[in-house]
Amino acid sequence: NAGVTQTPKFQVLKTGQSMTLQCAQDMNHEYMSWYRQDPGMGLRLIHYSVGAGITDQGEVPNGYNVSRSTTEDFPLRLLSAAPSQTSVYFCASSWDAETQYFGPGTRLLVL
Amino acid sequence: LAKTTQPISMDSYEGQEVNITCSHNNIATNDYITWYQQFPSQGPRFIIQGYKTKVTNEVASLFIPADRKSSTLSLPRVSLSDTAVYYCLVGEFRGSARQLTFGSGTQLTVLP
Repeated sequence: NAGVTQTPKFQVLKTGQSMTLQCAQDMNHEYMSWYRQDPGMGLRLIHYSVGAGITDQGEVPNGYNVSRSTTEDFPLRLLSAAPSQTSVYFCASSWDAETQYFGPGTRLLVL
Repeated sequence: LAKTTQPISMDSYEGQEVNITCSHNNIATNDYITWYQQFPSQGPRFIIQGYKTKVTNEVASLFIPADRKSSTLSLPRVSLSDTAVYYCLVGEFRGSARQLTFGSGTQLTVLP
């Protein structure tokens, strides 16, 4: 099993650009989520999904969109990148919300 | 909200037992307590979860008193590789599912 994979590992964007962070899992988990982690801070939940076709907002959803067309994939879209979105983004999957498996993260720098 | 409070940092020496206490005064009846570990530049890793009394696995023990307003993560005989941030979390039902709220965690530094 590859577990949770994220691409790209690192990305530099200019303000106003859009991009999609990819997340995939091969554990057949229903629950998937996206977090961001700013330096020296804990993780903050952006969006989550309890199954294909179902998504919901977390603590900091503004500026991000998600969709869940399959059980395996949960992409995160930045609509118009801003410097405040510079962060490390983690995707996670699980059978329930508490015991999540996290991916290696995507480091995003917005100039 | 079942917010958790834990120390910002702790130091320990190799071979010692480390106890990290977390308070969660507003925990709800059906909430579980979950601990994660995070190394630099990596995603968090699930360590242990419990509801009451004591839970033990190959990595740690979790002690939860009867009132469940606090919990203590115990790491036996730590090594340098246990240096990490440890998060105490209580899952809360919001929206369509339970969600985890990560605080700042406890930075554990193990010294030689």
